[in-house]
Amino acid sequence: GAGVSQSPRYKVAKRGQDVALRCDPISGHVSLFWYQQALGQGPEFLTYFQNEAQLDKSGLPSDRFFAERPEGSVSTLKIQRTQQEDSAVYLCASSLEVRGRSPLHFGNGTRLTVT
Amino acid sequence: GQQLNQSPQSMFIQEGEDVSMNCTSSSIFNTWLWYKQDPGEGPVLLIALYKAGELTSNGRLTAQFGITRKDSFLNISASIPSDVGIYFCAGLTPTGANSKLTFGKGITLSVRP
Repeated sequence: GAGVSQSPRYKVAKRGQDVALRCDPISGHVSLFWYQQALGQGPEFLTYFQNEAQLDKSGLPSDRFFAERPEGSVSTLKIQRTQQEDSAVYLCASSLEVRGRSPLHFGNGTRLTVT
Repeated sequence: GQQLNQSPQSMFIQEGEDVSMNCTSSSIFNTWLWYKQDPGEGPVLLIALYKAGELTSNGRLTAQFGITRKDSFLNISASIPSDVGIYFCAGLTPTGANSKLTFGKGITLSVRP
């Protein structure tokens, strides 16, 4: 498809398990972002990639969160030793350019539930 | 950190009515964006504003970038049932590249037929 694709759509994990969330951005998009959206809240920034370089990870809530984009296209967000407070929708977004008026295109997210 | 304030949390209107939503901030932004999110989907960009004072329309939607760069509003005219959803404002800081969009908490709009 032409949009940002995320998988899985839903993930249920037991507390303490590790999870990996995948994002396929729009082909050719340089910038890739991960956001976390808690229930009833707006998306909150986690991390930003320009091609394969992770330029900003200031939004990652703890060192249990790790993101990579090794070849500058697909990205994976990994959460180790999941906790209940990690339950949220994780949104991936991509944009064509680094700066300028390049809109963010969001995927439909992965809803993570930690039990 | 930076916060965008959207209120009320929910709005209920009759089909055909106009509705206006506000977004305010204590910080200056150099870009304001309005997104709509439907259940189970990601936010979709409605309107982008790049200059203080700018007024931009997209069909039945009109948005303005406040002169102080600390606020924006979105108007929806002649509402229809498919306008139902959550409306988020988002701001980009002057020092930001394309990163760190700050989102408001959103306003849930309900449209009664």
